[in-house]
Amino acid sequence: AQSVTQPDIHITVSEGASLELRCNYSYGATPYLFWYVQSPGQGLQLLLKYFSGDTLVQGIKGFEAEFKRSQSSFNLRKPSVHWSDAAEYFCALGYEGGSQGNLIFGKGTKLSVKP
Amino acid sequence: EAGVTQSPTHLIKTRGQQATLRCSPISGHTSVYWYQQALGLGLQFLLWYDEGEERNRGNFPPRFSGRQFPNYSSELNVNALELEDSALYLCASSLGQPQHFGDGTRLSIL
Repeated sequence: AQSVTQPDIHITVSEGASLELRCNYSYGATPYLFWYVQSPGQGLQLLLKYFSGDTLVQGIKGFEAEFKRSQSSFNLRKPSVHWSDAAEYFCALGYEGGSQGNLIFGKGTKLSVKP
Repeated sequence: EAGVTQSPTHLIKTRGQQATLRCSPISGHTSVYWYQQALGLGLQFLLWYDEGEERNRGNFPPRFSGRQFPNYSSELNVNALELEDSALYLCASSLGQPQHFGDGTRLSIL
């Protein structure tokens, strides 16, 4: 069965430090992979997406993610975290071909930023 | 470009009542998706509508239903409300992938 795992429920980093949020997926074919961010009381904002091609994907707000098929991973990174990055981050898997349409989400990683 | 809009922002109901949530997709998007985000349960897929038809349904009881109108807007209906229906209901729209989300409707059941 398809699934997404985000091993870290909560991460705290200092402002200016680097960040890596982990995401592992289970899917038999080439997945569509996404990272979304959710600020308190708001909806989800798309940070970046991977469909195919270059395995290093650039997104908005200085985020990037690397697709590693051998490790079934799609980790999100940022070289220098800003206080405004504090939010909850969701990794999601989508289906090629569209027969199911919906996204499968990980449980999310809450990011806190220390001044 | 206007994003996905959802109404109302908050909805308070009592057990046994019915709730109607509305969603307007991004212009040009034909698919609308509904997700439930309940405390401790994460984001769970409810329904997918495309071109006016229900295409897929998540593992929810039949009292969760909806429809998509000719202008591609959608509504989600929840009948016989239960306490555990309290959640943030998110609507997303797309033309293929990716999906773009609204800010949600917070449904509280008293």
